Amino acid sequence: DIVMTQSPLSLPVTPGEPASISCRSSQSLLHSNGYTYLEWYLQKPGQSPQVLIYLGSNRASGVPDRFSGSGSGTDFTLKISRVEAEDVGIYYCMQAKQTPFTFGPGTKVDIK
Amino acid sequence: QVQLVQSAAEVKKPGASMKVSCKASGYIFTVYYIHWVRQAPGQGLEWMGSIDPNSGGTNYAQKFQARVTMTRDTSISTAYMELSRLRSDDTAVYYCARAKFAFDYWGQGTLVTVSS
Repeated sequence: DIVMTQSPLSLPVTPGEPASISCRSSQSLLHSNGYTYLEWYLQKPGQSPQVLIYLGSNRASGVPDRFSGSGSGTDFTLKISRVEAEDVGIYYCMQAKQTPFTFGPGTKVDIK
Repeated sequence: QVQLVQSAAEVKKPGASMKVSCKASGYIFTVYYIHWVRQAPGQGLEWMGSIDPNSGGTNYAQKFQARVTMTRDTSISTAYMELSRLRSDDTAVYYCARAKFAFDYWGQGTLVTVSS
């Protein structure tokens, strides 16, 4: 199975400031079809997860442009250009290159 | 609008089985896979498997292979996930999610509590 790790696991943020979360996979997520199967999800308190980023760097429909995804191979980053209060929650990366799909442990983002 | 509506919370005894439903609306049910993800209390997300609503073909995580069955009823646009031989560590919120480019729509979650 592909093991996903994230850092940091806890991230206190200041509204208006940038924030960054790192995700690493134990194997390359580059598929032979040329796509990189790395997704980011945000689970707000008391809610179901919601997709933010797919194929490593594509913002999902309705996701604010302050969120961006980057990276390749085994190293990926989610950046929030200016954190807003509504961005609090737990952020998960997930690999969808091969089954079983696996999630990172999550990064809890809260306001300082 | 796309919606996935799951069945209500359940309490089960160890050794029993559970069956969660996920009713889809707002799109053609047979076009997109349905995946099941669970989340134990205070824990992270765990992928359990998926079903192709068109063919009924399934793909299960090896961890659940012996105990899980995913099915669907295309006549009512509903997917089901059945887990047998329940243990206390199966206590979790179970989510269904539609897979288009990613898990783009999720159900509201179904809490299943396993307790004697």
